Amino acid sequence: EDQVTQSPEALRLQEGESSSLNCSYTVSGLRGLFWYRQDPGKGPEFLFTLYSAGEEKEKERLKATLTKKESFLHITAPKPEDSATYLCAVQIQGAQKLVFGQGTRLTINP
Amino acid sequence: DTGVSQDPRHKITKRGQNVTFRCDPISEHNRLYWYRQTLGQGPEFLTYFQNEAQLEKSRLLSDRFSAERPKGSFSTLEIQRTEQGDSAMYLCASSLPNQPQHFGDGTRLSIL
Repeated sequence: EDQVTQSPEALRLQEGESSSLNCSYTVSGLRGLFWYRQDPGKGPEFLFTLYSAGEEKEKERLKATLTKKESFLHITAPKPEDSATYLCAVQIQGAQKLVFGQGTRLTINP
Repeated sequence: DTGVSQDPRHKITKRGQNVTFRCDPISEHNRLYWYRQTLGQGPEFLTYFQNEAQLEKSRLLSDRFSAERPKGSFSTLEIQRTEQGDSAMYLCASSLPNQPQHFGDGTRLSIL
């Protein structure tokens, strides 16, 4: 069965304190891995797509990387406005649906 | 740039009642998806449309759930005879082929 596991479930950082979020996946055939950001009461907002091991994508203070078994979302010198739940999802070859992890709730204290 | 629009944003209903939600995708997006999200969990896939054709359905989509996308534009999701376990956020997303899915802000359903 295709599975996505994110860790940690929750993370508190001080402003400027860099860290990484993990997304481990077990799938029959990976078509793509997606990162989304979700604010309370809102829908997920697309951040990145990664397709193959070794690929990296960057956007402002965020960088996503991919290996054959996991993806990392690195956050450098975070600010309070980076506080949100970060969701990882995989798309399986031959299917359109996304399979999501449970998310990591990130809080950045000023 | 208009995003995915969902209506209503909140719905409160009594157990056993029928409810219907509407989703308007980003214009020109021919792919439309429905997901369900409960508190503290990631979204779970319900169903997928390409134009007006419903091509993929989850086992989560019981006989009480039905989705339509007439004319390949907006979509509706109906839940008949609602149960307590149906309380959740119902999310709609749309995309172009081989492009990321973009989500609306959802309809939050509460069953009394």
